Amino acid sequence: DAGVIQSPRHEVTEMGQEVTLRCKPISGHNSLFWYRQTMMRGLELLIYFNNNVPIDDSGMPEDRFSAKMPNASFSTLKIQPSEPRDSAVYFCASSFTSGRGYNEQFFGPGTRLTVL
Amino acid sequence: AQTVTQSQPEMSVQEAETVTLSCTYDTSESNYYLFWYKQPPSRQMILVIRQEAYKQQNATENRFSVNFQKAAKSFSLKISDSQLGDTAMYFCATRGSGSARQLTFGSGTQLTVLP
Repeated sequence: DAGVIQSPRHEVTEMGQEVTLRCKPISGHNSLFWYRQTMMRGLELLIYFNNNVPIDDSGMPEDRFSAKMPNASFSTLKIQPSEPRDSAVYFCASSFTSGRGYNEQFFGPGTRLTVL
Repeated sequence: AQTVTQSQPEMSVQEAETVTLSCTYDTSESNYYLFWYKQPPSRQMILVIRQEAYKQQNATENRFSVNFQKAAKSFSLKISDSQLGDTAMYFCATRGSGSARQLTFGSGTQLTVLP
């Protein structure tokens, strides 16, 4: 398996532009997570989906951020308009969730976003 | 709600020596999991070891072991026979066993293994 795939790996954009980050989870996984990593706030959850349905989006910082999961093999995180404080590494992770047992989350390589 | 605290921003250890990274946590969950993740310069998040809170026995994975003190809410990571490839940022994390599946991370400890 190729693991969790994220694109692009690096993105540099100017303030005010729309940014779209993409994630392909591991085939067969039914939970998908978007995390953001910054020096100031560390690693924090933005949103997670279970069976393509958003379960918890309380970590989404504001209305400029939106996430979708149109099918089991693809998710996007969009920032519109982008601001310099959005500069961070954005990770996507996936797992197979079944009952209450342990389900390892597998992380993608991350997208480093720089907003000038 | 869950919180994870790592009080050591940076640590260093000589190659082949042993080092212990500290982590304390708080959770309202009755059952939960604890993890240590490694993030090398490549940025990839790699699971090092996990512990189920209902298990009293400390988890071990080769050179990595944990000291899980449930009453004290402490979960430290011991790395034996440190290798240069262990140089990385290490994150302690927790996750409930119920419907909340997301991980809550600590702020990380940057470990440098010196030759």
